[in-house]
Amino acid sequence: EVQLQESGPGLVKPSQSLSLTCSVTGYSITSNYWGWIRKFPGNKMEWMGYISYSGSTSYNPSLKSRISITRDTSKNQFFLQLNSVTTEDTATYYCARLRRGYVMDAWGQGASVTVSS
Amino acid sequence: DVQMTQSLSYLAASPGESVSISCKASKSISNYLAWYQQKPGEAYKLLIYSGSTLQSGTPSRFSGSGSGTDFTLTIRSLEPEDFGLYYCQQYYEKPYTFGAGTKLELK
Repeated sequence: EVQLQESGPGLVKPSQSLSLTCSVTGYSITSNYWGWIRKFPGNKMEWMGYISYSGSTSYNPSLKSRISITRDTSKNQFFLQLNSVTTEDTATYYCARLRRGYVMDAWGQGASVTVSS
Repeated sequence: DVQMTQSLSYLAASPGESVSISCKASKSISNYLAWYQQKPGEAYKLLIYSGSTLQSGTPSRFSGSGSGTDFTLTIRSLEPEDFGLYYCQQYYEKPYTFGAGTKLELK
């Protein structure tokens, strides 16, 4: 059974970078697609992007050039980096497996990140 | 971006009742729609994809219908474990977008 677990700092200062790790067990990240989704206070959800089995990426244009999703296949982990954060990036961040790049059929428990000075 | 509207943000019902949760897309998305359930302390769960196909493990009391712009998630004979937050998501085009969520609570 695939399991995903997010990890990373819970507090980030404005203008700095947010970095999260998703550790995957029970399934190789060299198969399928692996992405990040966030949930803002008030329950709004946003798809952020994904990295594919081959290492190609797709990002939400709303995040422009601030986002980067990378991976370490030797550790079966993938990563989120979001640059130049503001308080509006305060959210719970989820990593997920995207079946064929479309629907999220396995999720992590989520990592709460607050952007504050 | 495709806007997804869940008209009900909150719905109260009792165990044994049947409920329907609606989701409307701002343009036709064919049947490229998924439904998710979130319960406190638990990971999100994919319930339905392709508008009406049950994900493995989803109880048969759940059903999805619709195509184009209007979709419905129906839960027949509610069980206590069904109470939680439900989201629709379109994957017709990127960026994938979600509805605002419907919270199903115990009456």
